[in-house]
Amino acid sequence: GAVVSQHPSRVICKSGTSVKIECRSLDFQATTMFWYRQFPKKSLMLMATSNEGSKATYEQGVEKDKFLINHASLTLSTLTVTSAHPEDSSFYICSVRGGADTQYFGPGTRLTVL
Amino acid sequence: GESVGLHLPTLSVQEGDNSIINCAYSNSASDYFIWYKQESGKGPQFIIDIRSNMDKRQGQRVTVLLNKTVKHLSLQIAATQPGDSAVYFCAENANSGGYQKVTFGTGTKLQVIP
Repeated sequence: GAVVSQHPSRVICKSGTSVKIECRSLDFQATTMFWYRQFPKKSLMLMATSNEGSKATYEQGVEKDKFLINHASLTLSTLTVTSAHPEDSSFYICSVRGGADTQYFGPGTRLTVL
Repeated sequence: GESVGLHLPTLSVQEGDNSIINCAYSNSASDYFIWYKQESGKGPQFIIDIRSNMDKRQGQRVTVLLNKTVKHLSLQIAATQPGDSAVYFCAENANSGGYQKVTFGTGTKLQVIP
């Protein structure tokens, strides 16, 4: 399957600042990447679908101006949490759609907003 | 809306025994199902998948069963090992608004007792 990395693995920031999370597909050219968030002991919730060269598709209830997604190349998608607040603290996970609809996930990024 | 759910939030199994994790889904349009394993602080790891035109698929020590009549999915792990301890998610894939979307179930925590 595809190998996916995320950077950083952990980030702590002050309330009001913006944080950028990178998702890289290391061995697969990904036209589509996905961004999820996961609260403790909860399931993954899809935030948005990131499409290379076009605008991301956001799920209902996800603010596109709050969570900026850029998918400028076939190997990189970024999620920027703007003006972060403590309620944005979560585990953010990206995935890459491989062949046959299977998704391969990155290791996740733990965001803590103070 | 459509949802995927699990019957048991926590399952404790003796090492060496077989484990069965169950999942109910409600979207009859789902055509592809996946089981993921997630260890603490990590991203989900693909285990096995099955398409809706099949009712059983086997991997190494794992078997997935699909019963479309009752919209039920199960994951069987043979000879459960301590390294199998994790949270297991079922996920369903369906066409949503013209693109494929994966919806995750709530997760089952598997605890293997040495």
